[in-house]
Amino acid sequence: KAGVTQTPRYLIKTRGQQVTLSCSPISGHRSVSWYQQTPGQGLQFLFEYFSETQRNKGNFPGRFSGRQFSNSRSEMNVSTLELGDSALYLCASSLGTSDVYEQYFGPGTRLTVT
Amino acid sequence: AQSVSQHNHHVILSEAASLELGCNYSYGGTVNLFWYVQYPGQHLQLLLKYFSGDPLVKGIKGFEAEFIKSKFSFNLRKPSVQWSDTAEYFCAVIPAGAGSYQLTFGKGTKLSVIP
Repeated sequence: KAGVTQTPRYLIKTRGQQVTLSCSPISGHRSVSWYQQTPGQGLQFLFEYFSETQRNKGNFPGRFSGRQFSNSRSEMNVSTLELGDSALYLCASSLGTSDVYEQYFGPGTRLTVT
Repeated sequence: AQSVSQHNHHVILSEAASLELGCNYSYGGTVNLFWYVQYPGQHLQLLLKYFSGDPLVKGIKGFEAEFIKSKFSFNLRKPSVQWSDTAEYFCAVIPAGAGSYQLTFGKGTKLSVIP
């Protein structure tokens, strides 16, 4: 079974630009979560989608948004980029049921904002 | 909201030494607990998990963890570490069956194993 894939793997953007990251979950998984990983803050939850609906949202500004498509693929968008948005963005997929919520992570997209 | 605390930021051990990494969580109800590992240059991998039942759970590569409910702890152990265990280890928690789908991670513990 193929794992979670994320594209692109690396991105360099300038302040003020916007960026879209993509995530394809493991086949059969309907839940996709996004995390931001930085050396100082560790792994911070951004949001989670299940069957095209956002079920949970972390404490990030409205510049961070996401969506999920009918095939469970998900995209994350960051508008008006700031230097502090430089991070590794991780996507994780899961079957999505709350009693057994085991997440599998992709390799991440390394975003550098200059 | 739940939170996770990992006591050690960086642990340095010699090969064959025993390992114990601390993890404490804050949440009043039933939880599911996880340990993830991130090897250098690789993505996060699930090491082991606790959902219910036997509080001593065994994972991959000889790792085990013990859930002590009264102490809100889920410490990771390995009797004898190898150089290949050099990685960053993350403890994570999610409320069980509570309609929350937010996995909360600790800040991680970096393990360096010296040959």
